[in-house]
Amino acid sequence: EVQLVESGGDLVQPGGSLRLSCEVSGFTFSSYWMSWVRQAPGKGLEWVANINQGGSEKYYVDSVRGRFTISRDNAKNLLFLQMNSLTAEDTAVYYCARDPYSSSQFDYWGQGTLVTVSS
Amino acid sequence: QSALTQPASVSGSPGQSITISCTGTSSDIGAYNYVSWYQQHPGKAPKLMIYDVNDRPSGVSNRFSGSKSGNTASLTISGLQAEDEADYYCSSYTSSSTLVFGTGTYVTV
Repeated sequence: EVQLVESGGDLVQPGGSLRLSCEVSGFTFSSYWMSWVRQAPGKGLEWVANINQGGSEKYYVDSVRGRFTISRDNAKNLLFLQMNSLTAEDTAVYYCARDPYSSSQFDYWGQGTLVTVSS
Repeated sequence: QSALTQPASVSGSPGQSITISCTGTSSDIGAYNYVSWYQQHPGKAPKLMIYDVNDRPSGVSNRFSGSKSGNTASLTISGLQAEDEADYYCSSYTSSSTLVFGTGTYVTV
């Protein structure tokens, strides 16, 4: 059974940092592009970043480029999102998602982890 | 990259058909056939309903279908059922190698 489980969400002060993790199981992690998608409370979905199978290609939405870093550890089946210089606008549920078609279309999603940026 | 434009809400009676539009630009929907549709119930993760404009993942009802014309994609739900009441989001790959989602549409049955 394919599973994606996010963790690391927390309450953090503006300007702070946080590292999210996504532990996957039930499939060959190293064969898939992966993405992070977020959803602010009561708002729509926003794609954040993606990474290719080996970690050599990474893309970001403009609003997080230079502040967030996506990475992966294929040996441990883990996807990460390092978030720095956080602002209130980064408050959201963060989902990791699997991209089986290498075209930013996602067939499996985690349950999400909540990041709250507030003083 | 601006969000794709969807109607805020669409409603229909059980058994009817509805169509949700998703309008983008020549840099996203108009440029690629990598258009997806997701269903999201409150408090739940999104679920892939359509990919590559009009393909359905295994297990998704054939009441859901997708299409595209120019810079606009559409999702049609036929034989509307109570369980279809949810938020629906379109998405498209872009010429910047990024992804953009639609603004979301709430379907009321």
